[in-house]
Amino acid sequence: EEQLVESGGGLVQPGGSLRLSCAASGFTFSDHYMDWVRQAPGKGLEWVGRIRNEVNGYTTEYAASVKGRFIISRDDSKNSVYVQMNSLKTEDTAVYYCARRVDHGGDHEAFDIWGQGTMVTVSS
Amino acid sequence: IQLTQSPSSLSASVGDRVTITCRASQGISNFLAWYQQKPGKAPKLLIYTASNLQSGVPSRFSGSGSGTDFTLTISNLQPEDLATYYCQYVKSYPLTFGGGTKVEIK
Repeated sequence: EEQLVESGGGLVQPGGSLRLSCAASGFTFSDHYMDWVRQAPGKGLEWVGRIRNEVNGYTTEYAASVKGRFIISRDDSKNSVYVQMNSLKTEDTAVYYCARRVDHGGDHEAFDIWGQGTMVTVSS
Repeated sequence: IQLTQSPSSLSASVGDRVTITCRASQGISNFLAWYQQKPGKAPKLLIYTASNLQSGVPSRFSGSGSGTDFTLTISNLQPEDLATYYCQYVKSYPLTFGGGTKVEIK
């Protein structure tokens, strides 16, 4: 079964740091771009960022709201993707999901597998 | 690119045909996906490239549109379709989501 499992969420004070992990299984992890999406309590979905695969240089993209504070990385040997979150703000409070990007060709893509999410609460 | 969904919520009866609209702030060809999120669960991919049904998704779900105006249609609404539905732009960064449409069952 193709699966993503996030971990690492918790309570952190404003200005603090946290590292989330997402472990993949059931598919060739190294082939895929991986994304992080978050959802604040009672709110909609917000794309956080992406890391491409080795063929595409492991390059990253970020939403403006997290650029310069969050760093996405991956370890293909561990089938895992990470997001290091620094200088956390109360508005970063959300459920964080990792998602697998599927390429349907011609730059057409979507997120076809999602983890169950991990909650991050930024509060003093 | 901004995506505006309407309505923000709706209530319909089992067996009804439901239509959700997603409007892009500028033309995006067919670079649009639709997701279903049931309460307390992760989103699930329904439609990609505006009109292609994801494997395993019931055929009562369909998508259409191109350019700036897109629709997700649920024909013959079922109780298990209680969820919030999101559109997503999938061509360039940021990969924006619409605000969501909450579907309730009467």
